[in-house]
Amino acid sequence: EVQLVESGGGLVQPGGSLRLSCAASGFTFSDHYMDWVRQAPGKGLEWVGRTGDKANAYTTEYAASVKGRFTIWRDDSKNSLYLQMNSLKIEDTAVYHCARVGSGYGVDFWGQGTVVTVSS
Amino acid sequence: DIQMTQSPSSLSASVGDRVTITCRASQDITNYLAWFQQKPGKAPKSLIYAASSLQSGVPSKFRGSGSGTDFILTISSLQPEDFATYYCQQYYTYPVTFGGGTKVEIK
Repeated sequence: EVQLVESGGGLVQPGGSLRLSCAASGFTFSDHYMDWVRQAPGKGLEWVGRTGDKANAYTTEYAASVKGRFTIWRDDSKNSLYLQMNSLKIEDTAVYHCARVGSGYGVDFWGQGTVVTVSS
Repeated sequence: DIQMTQSPSSLSASVGDRVTITCRASQDITNYLAWFQQKPGKAPKSLIYAASSLQSGVPSKFRGSGSGTDFILTISSLQPEDFATYYCQQYYTYPVTFGGGTKVEIK
């Protein structure tokens, strides 16, 4: 059974940092690109960024709203995906989901998400 | 960035109805279009990729069509478990972008 379990969310002050993790199981993690997607309270889905796989040199792409502040990386030996969030802003408050990218490059499976609240 | 515009933003329908949701891209995305379903407090669920291909385990009552800039999600014979918010997403180019969502409510 495919599982994606996020962790690391919490309450952080504006300007602070937080690292999210996503533990994957039930599939060959190293074969898949992986995404982070977030959803602010009462809002729609917003793509945060993506990491490729070893074959594409783990190339990363980011949304403009987080570029330069957020970093995505993965550890295939631990079947884990990470999101380092620095210089957090109030508008980064959201549920953060990790998501598996299928062979056609569309997302095919989602984690339940972890809540990040940026507030003073 | 490619803008994805969904319509309507919400709709009311009855059990047994057929529902159509439209998604328009601001430029040609060929068929790099996905559809997702999300229920309150739950993770999104992937329904369709490549505009018209069903994800594994998704019932055939969900049908995706279109190419280029105009896409449609059709749900036939709406059931209580289908009341949810539906999102389209283009993955033709970065940044990946979502439509604003269509909330399907019970009439």
